Amino acid sequence: NAGVTQTPKFRILKIGQSMTLQCAQDMNHNYMYWYRQDPGMGLKLIYYSVGAGITDKGEVPNGYNVSRSTTEDFPLRLELAAPSQTSVYFCASSTPGAGGLESSYNEQFFGPGTRLTVL
Amino acid sequence: GENVEQHPSTLSVQEGDSAVIKCTYSDSASNYFPWYKQELGKRPQLIIDIRSNVGEKKDQRIAVTLNKTAKHFSLHITETQPEDSAVYFCAPNSGYSTLTFGKGTMLLVSP
Repeated sequence: NAGVTQTPKFRILKIGQSMTLQCAQDMNHNYMYWYRQDPGMGLKLIYYSVGAGITDKGEVPNGYNVSRSTTEDFPLRLELAAPSQTSVYFCASSTPGAGGLESSYNEQFFGPGTRLTVL
Repeated sequence: GENVEQHPSTLSVQEGDSAVIKCTYSDSASNYFPWYKQELGKRPQLIIDIRSNVGEKKDQRIAVTLNKTAKHFSLHITETQPEDSAVYFCAPNSGYSTLTFGKGTMLLVSP
């Protein structure tokens, strides 16, 4: 299994440009997430999805859009890039628990990240 | 939403010493308490987790303890080694499908 993959690894955008960050997983995980990590900071949730066709906003969704047409893929779209979107973007996936206290949540598996700079 | 705080933000120890990182959270409904390790330039990876019906869990040199009444849980690393140098994040479960990550603790282990 490749696990969670992300492309591209690095990208430089000009202000106002748009791009799509790709994320794919081959573990048949229902849940997928997009985080951004600013220098010296923790991970902030942008969007997440609990299954194909279902997405929801996280803590910092402004300036981003997502779609989830398949279980495997969860692309993140940046429209009108701004310098404030300079960050490292991580995609992650997990399985839902089977229910009950012992399995109410499971490990998140992260991709290698995309380093985005907006100039 | 969940408020998560980690202390300290930076921790420097000598090889062989113990290290303790504390995480406090606000949502009394949280029931899953993981710790992630992120080495420089790498992705975060789960190193240990605990469920709310357990007070302590140990895996070789690392352990996690939970105090649900006080709403905090801690990561304990014994006999630290240089390869333990990394940023550690707590991420209590704030809902069925999401985690809230703390800002991280940078652990530096000097040989």
